[in-house]
Amino acid sequence: QVQLVQSGAEVKKPGASVKVSCKASGYAFTTYYMVWVRQAPGQGLEWMGTINPSNAGTSYSQKLHGRLTVTRDTSTSTVYMELSSLTSEDTAVYYCARSVENWFDPWGQGTLVTVSS
Amino acid sequence: QSALTQPRSVSGSPGQSVTISCTGASSDVGVYNYVSWYQQHPGRVPKVIIYDVSKRPSGVPDRFSGSKSGNTASLTISGLQAEDEADYYCCSYATMYTYVFGTGTKVTVL
Repeated sequence: QVQLVQSGAEVKKPGASVKVSCKASGYAFTTYYMVWVRQAPGQGLEWMGTINPSNAGTSYSQKLHGRLTVTRDTSTSTVYMELSSLTSEDTAVYYCARSVENWFDPWGQGTLVTVSS
Repeated sequence: QSALTQPRSVSGSPGQSVTISCTGASSDVGVYNYVSWYQQHPGRVPKVIIYDVSKRPSGVPDRFSGSKSGNTASLTISGLQAEDEADYYCCSYATMYTYVFGTGTKVTVL
């Protein structure tokens, strides 16, 4: 079955960077785009960025542009999300999700990133 | 890109119908038929319940339906059930593989 498995929780200090992985299985990795979405505690969903695993082309949220980098490794069917210059406002659960022609299914299990001094 | 506007909360009794609105702009909801809706129970991963404005994925009950008029999309839950109590988010394509989510609506079953 189609499955996305994310890396574990992270605790980072302000100013640091975090890199979260998302390993896909159960389908042809390069045939579907992947998105990253985050959710701050008690808040709503926020789209962060999209990657085309076939050619590594990306689109990023204007809000995060310059701090966000999404990459992929086709040899391991894994997508990565790296966010730099972290502040407390980046504390959130980060999700990857497969984009099936502009809707998202399935989602990874989520990775909690806590930014604290 | 501003978040799509949803009511903060809606409520209804079991068996009733509730409708959640999702208002965007002519650059997203108004121009693309790529509106999807996600249900999220507390502490759980979001799950798609509607895509392409009004299509239901396999396994989603037909009491969930979607529509769109102009810059506003809507999700209707007919025959409300206790398990429908959750947060609901709309999402729209907004050009060049960028997306925007709604502010989220909490549905309470009275």
